[in-house]
Amino acid sequence: AQSVAQPEDQVNVAEGNPLTVKCTYSVSGNPYLFWYVQYPNRGLQFLLKYITGDNLVKGSYGFEAEFNKSQTSFHLKKPSALVSDSALYFCAVSKGNFGNEKLTFGTGTRLTIIP
Amino acid sequence: DTEVTQTPKHLVMGMTNKKSLKCEQHMGHRAMYWYKQKAKKPPELMFVYSYEKLSINESVPSRFSPECPNSSLLNLHLHALQPEDSALYLCASSTPSYNEQFFGPGTRLTVL
Repeated sequence: AQSVAQPEDQVNVAEGNPLTVKCTYSVSGNPYLFWYVQYPNRGLQFLLKYITGDNLVKGSYGFEAEFNKSQTSFHLKKPSALVSDSALYFCAVSKGNFGNEKLTFGTGTRLTIIP
Repeated sequence: DTEVTQTPKHLVMGMTNKKSLKCEQHMGHRAMYWYKQKAKKPPELMFVYSYEKLSINESVPSRFSPECPNSSLLNLHLHALQPEDSALYLCASSTPSYNEQFFGPGTRLTVL
């Protein structure tokens, strides 16, 4: 079985400060890891992924994430937060079996950037 | 075209109605997905189609019936739904080249 934990339901950050949204995962074999963002009443937008290669992954809108195999973590980061970053963020994991792929999401972290 | 479209955006139906949700993508993706998302919860996988064949059914009740008529279209037929089926229904697609799933904006379904 595969699972994702996002330990924080809510993260508040002042505008301009660095932000971190935490994610840990559990999966047998090599993980495929993803971050998605969801704005109110909208679908999910892909931010970034880790499949293989460099542990530091850069994505859309200035976000990045660091894959740490020993800690089974994939935390989302941004050096300087914007008010427009306020949204619901989901970490997700799969085994990458295309066509029989189950993407399992964490419970989500609501990020609020305070002006 | 790099998007997944879903129609309708909103749907209200009674428990005896029959309705369908539609999803379309023209990115050449050969896997398509249906998810159900309740308020303030993560999306939950319902079905996966791979090369127009059903590959995963997450033990979804038979009142939900998926259909993949071709590689660009995915339908979800609804019949005799319950009020607890009210949710945001999301469609997604993917390709082996990119791994990530591309999501549509969703259909907000309300069952009265």
